[in-house]
Amino acid sequence: GQQLNQSPQSMFIQEGEDVSMNCTSSSIFNTWLWYKQDPGEGPVLLIALYKAGELTSNGRLTAQFGITRKDSFLNISASIPSDVGIYFCAGPYFSNTGNQFYFGTGTSLTVIP
Amino acid sequence: GAVVSQHPSRVICKSGTSVKIECRSLDFQATTMFWYRQFPKQSLMLMATSNEGSKATYEQGVEKDKFLINHASLTLSTLTVTSAHPEDSSFYICSAREGGWGNQPQHFGDGTRLSIL
Repeated sequence: GQQLNQSPQSMFIQEGEDVSMNCTSSSIFNTWLWYKQDPGEGPVLLIALYKAGELTSNGRLTAQFGITRKDSFLNISASIPSDVGIYFCAGPYFSNTGNQFYFGTGTSLTVIP
Repeated sequence: GAVVSQHPSRVICKSGTSVKIECRSLDFQATTMFWYRQFPKQSLMLMATSNEGSKATYEQGVEKDKFLINHASLTLSTLTVTSAHPEDSSFYICSAREGGWGNQPQHFGDGTRLSIL
């Protein structure tokens, strides 16, 4: 299957700092999605990217779909305690065997008040 | 926005019990729903793809007789863990995709924490 590698694996930052994380794949994806998962809950969609080079914002969050279609980054500005959680990139991948959906390895974010 | 409801949120039961988990799309129709399993501090692992009106497609290594999936309507899919054992204890999450286009995002339920004693 496809591998979506996220970095960093974990981050510990002070409240108010900006955060940047990225996701890379060995194959081309036509859609990149960013989710946030709080402990004991399901992932919640943050941003969806559909076009190479696309830059999309959602409040303090900004994500970009890489030109090569093999990477994406997510930025969070002026972090607050409720930003704590695990952030996953994800995307559908079409192959000869069908349409699969892959998740990245996750970036765990801790915000220190 | 699209809402997916998963029930129950937590199950604690004895070994050998069969457990049914429901996944409902509340405000949209989902021809395809997905079932994931997640171990602590790990990413989501796709178990199976549930298609309305047809058999589910299971990922390699997932026992279809152990994890029974039924997708009887456009808004409901169920996962039954048959004769559950302690090694089946995990966090199970369902998702549903809005529309038939494969690029549409998946929306997730809040998960079911299954604990087998």
